[in-house]
Amino acid sequence: AQKITQTQPGMFVQEKEAVTLDCTYDTSDPSYGLFWYKQPSSGEMIFLIYQGSYDQQNATEGRYSLNFQKARKSANLVISASQLGDSAMYFCAMREILTGGGNKLTFGTGTQLKVEL
Amino acid sequence: DVKVTQSSRYLVKRTGEKVFLECVQDMDHENMFWYRQDPGLGLRLIYFSYDVKMKEKGDIPEGYSVSREKKERFSLILESASTNQTSMYLCASSPSGYSYNSPLHFGNGTRLTVT
Repeated sequence: AQKITQTQPGMFVQEKEAVTLDCTYDTSDPSYGLFWYKQPSSGEMIFLIYQGSYDQQNATEGRYSLNFQKARKSANLVISASQLGDSAMYFCAMREILTGGGNKLTFGTGTQLKVEL
Repeated sequence: DVKVTQSSRYLVKRTGEKVFLECVQDMDHENMFWYRQDPGLGLRLIYFSYDVKMKEKGDIPEGYSVSREKKERFSLILESASTNQTSMYLCASSPSGYSYNSPLHFGNGTRLTVT
């Protein structure tokens, strides 16, 4: 079974600084997809970034980048130039494709990020 | 834009009641999911469906059932609500197939309180 581990329940970062949110995963499948979602206090789940297991380069989306280290089974999210609006819960997730075409995402427990002035 | 709509934002029910949580998506997605979110536990998958009338158990199906009679609608049913089912419930959808990179699209959640 797939497993996602986020070991940082809470993180603080100063505005304009960069921050790294940790995510490790465990799977025996050679093919998988990794996602990061942001959940602000409003509760909506916002998709941030995706990394495929065969992607050669680390994914980037604006101020978000994914530090993908396949051998270590880690997929850390890096947020550059933090803003107050980045304060939120962040979830790492992994997709498993099932026999028959269905798929499901397994989520980690999340990291609560607070950006301070 | 994909829209996933959950019928209630807040719900208060009594122990033993039968509870229906409804979810509708408008993008013709084959896959639909129900998660519950609890502090410190993240999102845990209850049930999912990859086709009409199909359903699969997730990681925590006990005490729940689902119904998918139409492609756009996926209902979560608590047959006899209990206080330990007080939680935030999130519905999501995604396209079918073997595409790894399609993100889930989530509804805004239903916060259920069972008293």
